[in-house]
Amino acid sequence: QKEVEQDPGPLSVPEGAIVSLNCTYSNSAFQYFMWYRQYSRKGPELLMYTYSSGNKEDGRFTAQVDKSSKYISLFIRDSQPSDSATYLCAMRKRGSARQLTFGSGTQLTVLP
Amino acid sequence: GAVVSQHPSWVICKSGTSVKIECRSLDFQATTMFWYRQFPKQSLMLMATSNEGSKATYEQGVEKDKFLINHASLTLSTLTVTSAHPEDSSFYICSVPTSGGQRGTDTQYFGPGTRLTVL
Repeated sequence: QKEVEQDPGPLSVPEGAIVSLNCTYSNSAFQYFMWYRQYSRKGPELLMYTYSSGNKEDGRFTAQVDKSSKYISLFIRDSQPSDSATYLCAMRKRGSARQLTFGSGTQLTVLP
Repeated sequence: GAVVSQHPSWVICKSGTSVKIECRSLDFQATTMFWYRQFPKQSLMLMATSNEGSKATYEQGVEKDKFLINHASLTLSTLTVTSAHPEDSSFYICSVPTSGGQRGTDTQYFGPGTRLTVL
């Protein structure tokens, strides 16, 4: 079993829709959570960083962490065609020398 | 966040040749950099940790004699794929870890990646 599970999609939604992307993890040692966006043939770009349970909002993006359920989500409101990319969740354990464990990524397409 | 560059952005080489990929941290001094490999439609797999002033540490299953890493300065790390073969064709990405100044806010900023194709 992988330490981090992420639905690979692909996920296709109409423009303006609310998108929900999710990851689950099995190891409670993961304490810090990130979402990255990766466009085709580009490096990942950090979108959100959280380390406590609850919600964190940044513009159209909301990151949600539920440590008791070992479940994290990224919500995208009013999705745009420019949001079409692969979204990767990533996690880090306390004291892990900054090494990240990534989900497999969810490919999202927002249709105009 | 940190600005990270990679060069070249893509390279095609013949089987048996060596290829060097550079990773530069443009606005942040990094004693550590990470090298990842990504196959199509797959996630990033950590290959090795590049350490300034000491040897790189490699993940299990990564051949250190094949993937040579040199952390030449606080802003430059290089990955050399030696005697490349078609199965080494992949997307290679480096990252620079940074701290937000608060406990536990370390994260990583990634370069744009280098696509290697070995014929």
